Amino acid sequence: GAVVSQHPSRVICKSGTSVKIECRSLDFQATTMFWYRQFPKQSLMLMATSNEGSKATYEQGVEKDKFLINHASLTLSTLTVTSAHPEDSSFYICSASRPQGETQYFGPGTRLLVL
Amino acid sequence: AQTVTQSQPEMSVQEAETVTLSCTYDTSESNYYLFWYKQPPSRQMILVIRQEAYKQQNATENRFSVNFQKAAKSFSLKISDSQLGDTAMYFCAFMKPSGGGADGLTFGKGTHLIIQP
Repeated sequence: GAVVSQHPSRVICKSGTSVKIECRSLDFQATTMFWYRQFPKQSLMLMATSNEGSKATYEQGVEKDKFLINHASLTLSTLTVTSAHPEDSSFYICSASRPQGETQYFGPGTRLLVL
Repeated sequence: AQTVTQSQPEMSVQEAETVTLSCTYDTSESNYYLFWYKQPPSRQMILVIRQEAYKQQNATENRFSVNFQKAAKSFSLKISDSQLGDTAMYFCAFMKPSGGGADGLTFGKGTHLIIQP
């Protein structure tokens, strides 16, 4: 199989606080992980590409200082939303791919609500 | 930059019918990958089918098949013998190769497919 988990599944926080979301590949090693954002009734938008042991590559318009990504091991990538504001409320989804693999396997997503 | 267009925001068919979801894309790449993902109400993204652009043969997975027309940049999904569990959002996605691995996906806006009993 190719199972990807995310934690937490949903989080509510106050404006100004930081939130960390974990993405784990449970049964395979993932050299590359991706972070997407999905607003209600909209499509997924790529935020950044996370490669193990190197800095993440951010898409145009995504603030790297606000969305900190760390890919410290072959099975774990984290997304930290720093100084969260209500406009950061969204559904965040990670995906992971095997080395030399083209298919991405998605986590179940994290619903973030910033009050 | 690549773009993916899904022109059908919503479709509704009766159970057991066949339905085709359309997808067109724009790219200057000659080699790439195309995917259909399904997102049920749980919001878990599930891979339905994938197609490599260099393969002329259309991909099939049980009741799901694609009609890949590279020259026309078209990638439609056909669902045969539709089932209630097929009700979901369906996203068409494009990916260009990245040195022997995956790259970020560009998604269309999605088609909400409703299977009526």
